[in-house]
Amino acid sequence: DSGVTQTPKHLITATGQRVTLRCSPRSGDLSVYWYQQSLDQGLQFLIQYYNGEERAKGNILERFSAQQFPDLHSELNLSSLELGDSALYFCASSVVPQDEQYFGPGTRLTVT
Amino acid sequence: LAKTTQPISMDSYEGQEVNITCSHNNIATNDYITWYQQFPSQGPRFIIQGYKTKVTNEVASLFIPADRKSSTLSLPRVSLSDTAVYYCLVGARDDKIIFGKGTRLHILP
Repeated sequence: DSGVTQTPKHLITATGQRVTLRCSPRSGDLSVYWYQQSLDQGLQFLIQYYNGEERAKGNILERFSAQQFPDLHSELNLSSLELGDSALYFCASSVVPQDEQYFGPGTRLTVT
Repeated sequence: LAKTTQPISMDSYEGQEVNITCSHNNIATNDYITWYQQFPSQGPRFIIQGYKTKVTNEVASLFIPADRKSSTLSLPRVSLSDTAVYYCLVGARDDKIIFGKGTRLHILP
């Protein structure tokens, strides 16, 4: 158990819909990261937050957005969902940027 | 932005030492090198992190030559449960993060 929690574990929704994925970092960690992993693919970095501020952005689609709240939990919003958005979405946290990251168990999103 | 290159896959046998090398020719002065292990459908797990020379912990060693353009993860006496994908990550504080495709390690009995 890494100490990072993600909800929900599984999500099945239809194309065109919008979903929100939630992440609670380890106690004391200020950085939160979001990743997408499609079947048999590597981890694609989406976005990083540090203490509530956006720190770095990867290849995150415009249909996707995220934020980190004052209590340091984070949410990833995915809208106008497409079949290709089906993937595992991981959240990770670290004390500060470039420290080792601790990953949550992931949210498996299936878009039908 | 430090790009990394690793072998796509490796096979080894139980009880052997396994070394996985990662190339990162354009590593920046303030970049750390971090290795992760990932099992199917699970989040990656931190293995080891280093900046230069050698780092050792209870599960692995990390060797980094003086020019820091590569690094080698060493797993002593592997077992079947070490079958996983191993990622080398090199990054600075404000870079977007590139995990790459990783090395798929397959341990044979």
